[in-house]
Amino acid sequence: DAKTTQPTSMDCAEGRAANLPCNHSTISGNEYVYWYRQIHSQGPQYIIHGLKNNETNEMASLIITEDRKSSTLILPHATLRDTAVYYCIVRVAYDYKLSFGAGTTVTVRA
Amino acid sequence: DGGITQSPKYLFRKEGQNVTLSCEQNLNHDAMYWYRQDPGQGLRLIYYSQIVNDFQKGDIAEGYSVSREKKESFPLTVTSAQKNPTAFYLCASSGGAISSDTQYFGPGTRLTVL
Repeated sequence: DAKTTQPTSMDCAEGRAANLPCNHSTISGNEYVYWYRQIHSQGPQYIIHGLKNNETNEMASLIITEDRKSSTLILPHATLRDTAVYYCIVRVAYDYKLSFGAGTTVTVRA
Repeated sequence: DGGITQSPKYLFRKEGQNVTLSCEQNLNHDAMYWYRQDPGQGLRLIYYSQIVNDFQKGDIAEGYSVSREKKESFPLTVTSAQKNPTAFYLCASSGGAISSDTQYFGPGTRLTVL
């Protein structure tokens, strides 16, 4: 799997958009970008994934650059409950293993 | 309500004892997985199963065993051979189809060896 690079931590103000970057410069053409988050002492929660096109669901938006070497997860209106560790993962479809790195610790402040 | 359940939430065991962690899903998913997470670290794959009555070792299978007798159940046994079993254990499942191989996780079981 391609490796990803994320900032160690970031703060965000409640009610504002949170933009979480991820670099995956060695991504292959058949690898998807996945985002999960893990709130303290809970199981990881799937957020969104994409291959080439930008994606949006009820939780977030995923913006993938045209060269696919980086992406940004956008939480449009951050709340205190969005405080968590966010993981950016690249994987081939049907790869049995998810490789979680260190992720970005996001703290939403009132 | 569809989802993945793990029980118990907290588990304590004495050294030398085997213990079994439960994982049940009602999502009709074909594949199921067990991961281990240590403090401040990412997840490591222990075992996975893509179909009933079949399973494969992950990266850290030593000291663990699994069974997959039913589609909805994938119990993990932590044996006395596992030298450092204290950890947070996570079960996941995925549909296995082209549009649905996203893995969804249960709430986890925190195992502490006393």
